[in-house]
Amino acid sequence: DTGVSQNPRHKITKRGQNVTFRCDPISEHNRLYWYRQTLGQGPEFLTYFQNEAQLEKSRLLSDRFSAERPKGSFSTLEIQRTEQGDSAMYLCASSPAPETQYFGPGTRLLVL
Amino acid sequence: GESVGLHLPTLSVQEGDNSIINCAYSNSASDYFIWYKQESGKGPQFIIDIRSNMDKRQGQRVTVLLNKTVKHLSLQIAATQPGDSAVYFCAEGFGAGSYQLTFGKGTKLSVIP
Repeated sequence: DTGVSQNPRHKITKRGQNVTFRCDPISEHNRLYWYRQTLGQGPEFLTYFQNEAQLEKSRLLSDRFSAERPKGSFSTLEIQRTEQGDSAMYLCASSPAPETQYFGPGTRLLVL
Repeated sequence: GESVGLHLPTLSVQEGDNSIINCAYSNSASDYFIWYKQESGKGPQFIIDIRSNMDKRQGQRVTVLLNKTVKHLSLQIAATQPGDSAVYFCAEGFGAGSYQLTFGKGTKLSVIP
């Protein structure tokens, strides 16, 4: 158990709906990352927070995606107007230092 | 649940044998490397890491070797156990900004009892 928690663990939604995922990092970890993983592939970086500041975003993060970390603790990732191509596992990781990242169990999204 | 290991290279080893999983990384500027283990339906689990100023690092039953000349990383697992069955990913990062990790494609390890 790495201590990173994610909710919900599974989400099924219809195309066009909005969804929001939550990540609670290991306490006192000031760095938080979101990744996306599709079947048979390794995770791909989406975005990074240091405390409450969103410092980096991948080009994978289209304008339908938004992430927040309002108080520098938990984070949310929202996808608006979901598309079938958004179906994936969304992973959150936290880190106390620039290197080692500890991952949560992920939220598996299925868009019908 | 869905398999993380769908269509991945597979390594099958007998229980008790040693396993070697290889990875080619892409960025010669990467200075940090990690191996993760991922079981079906779970997030990646940290195994061992190594910085670019080292060529070998040992943990409990695992060893990581780094060859910067050919941009190659390997994970050796001693006395492989059924619980080691999973998909293994190498990841690289470099010391600028976020240290975002770039993952390789993964190798599925199957341990035969």
